[in-house]
Amino acid sequence: QLQLQESGPGLVKPSETLSLTCTVSGGSISSSSYYWGWIRQPPGKGLEWIGSIYYSGSTYYNPSLKSRVTISVDTSKNQFSLKLSSVTAADTAVYYCARREFTTVTSPPGFDYWGQGTLVTVSS
Amino acid sequence: SYVLTQPPSVSVAPGKTARITCGGNNIGSKSVHWYQQKPGQAPVLVIYYDSDRPSGIPERFSGSNSGNTATLTISRVEAGDEADYYCQVWDSSSDNYVFGTGTKVTVL
Repeated sequence: QLQLQESGPGLVKPSETLSLTCTVSGGSISSSSYYWGWIRQPPGKGLEWIGSIYYSGSTYYNPSLKSRVTISVDTSKNQFSLKLSSVTAADTAVYYCARREFTTVTSPPGFDYWGQGTLVTVSS
Repeated sequence: SYVLTQPPSVSVAPGKTARITCGGNNIGSKSVHWYQQKPGQAPVLVIYYDSDRPSGIPERFSGSNSGNTATLTISRVEAGDEADYYCQVWDSSSDNYVFGTGTKVTVL
């Protein structure tokens, strides 16, 4: 059974960089069949897609966050990572990693596997 | 940017049918995915590509999409269906996944 697990600091200071890692088990991140993504949810609010990455390193990001986001993949560790720079209190959220199937059609599918999420608080 | 609007809340009695709408400009031309999220848990995909159900999702969950409105229908509602529900589309004009505002379903 595929499992995704987020890890990283739960507290980040304003203006610093938030760094999280998602470890995939029960499946290979190097599969050509999937994209891997990050989604976040501020406390009591809705979901926001941050960005996604393919095993080859190809990425695409939410335009509203693109200038601050970097997503990378480490196939040797079966992990992918998120870096979000210059954080503010507005970046306080539960951060989820998730998987969606690769497709060549113009409308990609939804995310079918999710991690349990990790709360990151931005505060001094 | 593309906006998806959902009613904040829907209340339904056990055994009845709940309908959750997701409004967007010409959403019928897009593919809609639906997620269920229970308190303290990650979202679960319940409908993809407008009306397909992942394995393990009860047939009570169904979806439709036409014009400016997509709808998630939960038939024979059970207490365990109480959750927040989100719609999602891919907006090709901005290369962005967009989520709806979310609907809290309360089982009376």
